Amino acid sequence: RKEVEQDPGPFNVPEGATVAFNCTYSNSASQSFFWYRQDCRKEPKLLMSVYSSGNEDGRFTAQLNRASQYISLLIRDSKLSDSATYLCVVILSWSSASKIIFGSGTRLSIRP
Amino acid sequence: DVKVTQSSRYLVKRTGEKVFLECVQDMDHENMFWYRQDPGLGLRLIYFSYDVKMKEKGDIPEGYSVSREKKERFSLILESASTNQTSMYLCASSLTVTGGLDEQYFGPGTRLTVT
Repeated sequence: RKEVEQDPGPFNVPEGATVAFNCTYSNSASQSFFWYRQDCRKEPKLLMSVYSSGNEDGRFTAQLNRASQYISLLIRDSKLSDSATYLCVVILSWSSASKIIFGSGTRLSIRP
Repeated sequence: DVKVTQSSRYLVKRTGEKVFLECVQDMDHENMFWYRQDPGLGLRLIYFSYDVKMKEKGDIPEGYSVSREKKERFSLILESASTNQTSMYLCASSLTVTGGLDEQYFGPGTRLTVT
């Protein structure tokens, strides 16, 4: 089993729809979680950190479910500009960089 | 604005050549990282440095070495390039904050082809 798993997609949804995807992790000692966004042929950029209590940033909501070991990203009122690959990042121990694990990404395509 | 720059966007090298990939950040970040990104495998950490002259192996250090002589510069070295090292190489930097690592800022990447 991979340490961090994401559904590769692609998720193809119409503009204005709500879309959600998950990222599961295998190690229960994982401590920090992030969502990054990567546009085609570009570098990843931080979208949002994921806090234990969940957090929201505009149309984006991130949640952490420690019991089931997954994080989620919800996008409301999706825009064409949301089309990208979304990468989850799990950090097992902040003092050990070798435990920074990126998921392979979920591709999202928003159609007009 | 944080800026992470990489010496080349595209590089073509021959098998057996020694390859240097350079990365420079301008935000006085303590941590610097080298990743490679391959389709279906995502980003995999090659090496990490948390201070000048300090380094830690990531998940796939075999065939690579690194050098950090100055805080702003982190170099990835392929001692003898092989075709399975053809990949996109991404450099990143981050600040250490209490309790964990901060946001990572990535450079634009170097697409290396080894023939």
